[in-house]
Amino acid sequence: EDQVTQSPEALRLQEGESSSLNCSYTVSGLRGLFWYRQDPGKGPEFLFTLYSAGEEKEKERLKATLTKKESFLHITAPKPEDSATYLCAVQVRDSNYQLIWGAGTKLIIKP
Amino acid sequence: EAQVTQNPRYLITVTGKKLTVTCSQNMNHEYMSWYRQDPGLGLRQIYYSMNVEVTDKGDVPEGYKVSRKEKRNFPLILESPSPNQTSLYFCASSWGGAGELFFGEGSRLTVL
Repeated sequence: EDQVTQSPEALRLQEGESSSLNCSYTVSGLRGLFWYRQDPGKGPEFLFTLYSAGEEKEKERLKATLTKKESFLHITAPKPEDSATYLCAVQVRDSNYQLIWGAGTKLIIKP
Repeated sequence: EAQVTQNPRYLITVTGKKLTVTCSQNMNHEYMSWYRQDPGLGLRQIYYSMNVEVTDKGDVPEGYKVSRKEKRNFPLILESPSPNQTSLYFCASSWGGAGELFFGEGSRLTVL
């Protein structure tokens, strides 16, 4: 069965303390992996797409990487405004129209 | 400004009273989708549409209907709402396929 698992469920960091969020996946064939950010009570906001192992994407303090089994979202020197829930989703090769979503990691950055 | 607009944003209703949540996008996207989000269950897809007059079921379609008569609009219809449909609903759209989605602000629905 295709599955996406995110860890940890929640992560508390001090401002400036770098860390990584994990998204591991078990799918029959990967078409793409997507990272989203969701603020409380709002819709998810698209961050990155990764298609193949070894690929990396960066945006400000965020960098997403992909291996054959998992993806990491690295957060460098985070600020309080980076606090949000980060969602990972996978599109399998057979389907262009559906995503398998992880449960998310709630990130809290303390000033 | 590119956006996906949902209405209403908040609604409290009673069991059995039909309601429609509207969704409109101004980006000429072909693909549109409805999700519900519940604590501990994450995002679950209800229905999606690949283009005008083309729709298909997602993971949790029971109790919901959709239509896609125009490219920009994709309303979600609850014919006879029940309390287990109390949830936060999101509409999303993209150029093609399910990957890089633009989400609406959400509609919080409570069924008493």
